[in-house]
Parts: sequence; structure tokens; C-alpha cells
Amino acid sequence: DVKVTQSSRYLVKRTGEKVFLECVQDMDHENMFWYRQDPGLGLRLIYFSYDVKMKEKGDIPEGYSVSREKKERFSLILESASTNQTSMYLCASSSTGTGKDGYTFGSGTRLTVV
Amino acid sequence: DQQVKQNSPSLSVQEGRISILNCDYTNSMFDYFLWYKKYPAEGPTFLISISSIKDKNEDGRFTVFLNKSAKHLSLHIVPSQPGDSAVYFCGSGGGGFKTIFGAGTRLFVKA
Repeated sequence: DVKVTQSSRYLVKRTGEKVFLECVQDMDHENMFWYRQDPGLGLRLIYFSYDVKMKEKGDIPEGYSVSREKKERFSLILESASTNQTSMYLCASSSTGTGKDGYTFGSGTRLTVV
Repeated sequence: DQQVKQNSPSLSVQEGRISILNCDYTNSMFDYFLWYKKYPAEGPTFLISISSIKDKNEDGRFTVFLNKSAKHLSLHIVPSQPGDSAVYFCGSGGGGFKTIFGAGTRLFVKA
């Protein structure tokens, strides 16, 4: 069974901390994505990566960075966490760069910044 | 400006009846459309899709209809079951755009 695994289900961090969210997929997909889900706003794309060490900004990249050193792992970094980054973070992978054939999502990480 | 809109935050339906979830989009370049289902504390799961060359796609109890002239798609669930209670997201993309999602509609199916 193919999987996207996010290392933490719940995280509580303090304002100003550097936060790492980790995601691993076992489907050998080139394309990986980070979304955040907020009530009334749906899923918004933060960053995506179409190959190792390759990345592109999504719709809301401010305050975030990413790292992809290996094909199966895509990390989201909050450089200095702020309360407006409290959200549900979802990692996804796809065989296509656009998601046309559907994404496989992880279970999500609910981050609270206090 | 939201390119994909789900104007109904929630919908309540009796078990056995039809559930109709709606989605509107603004970008005429979009050429694929998808529906995802999300339970609490889980990631969204892909449900059904349709390309712009079709106007209907059916998979068991789930049917998606596409009206390109109106830039509107809908998901029909017949018959609705309590296990269908979840948040449903529509997404669309194409023309160089990654999938853009709507805000979601929470479906309650009452037993």
C-alpha cells in the first residue's frame, strides 16, 4: 500500500522557533507538495518540488522554506514560527507535476504556534 | 481572488437520499477537475476526476458532472451513507496551473 508519511501528527512550538516538518513517500514520485489547510480557505500550496534539490514557490511561500535532498523526503521549514502559521500542514506526492492524476496525501501535521 | 469556489460550507442529507456538492471555477484554461474526501485527522483522499473533454464520469455511487460553459462541476452521491460524512474538496488545474482547491464543503449524512 503506497504511503506518504508525515513524522508528527501534532506539534506545539513557540513563536520564533525554527520548525521542521518532515514528509516521506514510498511511491518513487518525482513530485512532492506542501499544503496548508485552514477553515474557509481550503488547501493552499506553499511549495512544491519536481526533483531532488529542485523547488518552486507555491501560492503562499512567505515565512517558509523547503529542502529535498533525497527523492523520497521533502521537508518544510518554518524559519521563525509565528502564530499565523498555526494550521494543518499536508504533504502530498504525485506522478505528475500538476496533480492531474491525483495526489496521495499524508495524514497531516497539526501545528500550533504559541 | 479564488479561482475555485465551493460556496456551501456545509450540507446535511438524509441517509439514502442524494447528496449534491457544487464547485465553480473561473479559469477557462483548467482542463482537469478532481474531488477529494477528507475525514478528521486524516489527509484528503482522491475520490473521482473528470477531464474537460467529458461532461460526466461515474464511479459506483459517485458521479461528477462538468458544465464547461457555466464553469461549474458537481459531485452526486447516490445513495448517501453515514460513512460519506466528511469534508469534500474540489480541485482543478491545467494550462500550466497546479491543482487549486476550493474551501471545502462539510457533508453530514444523517441516519
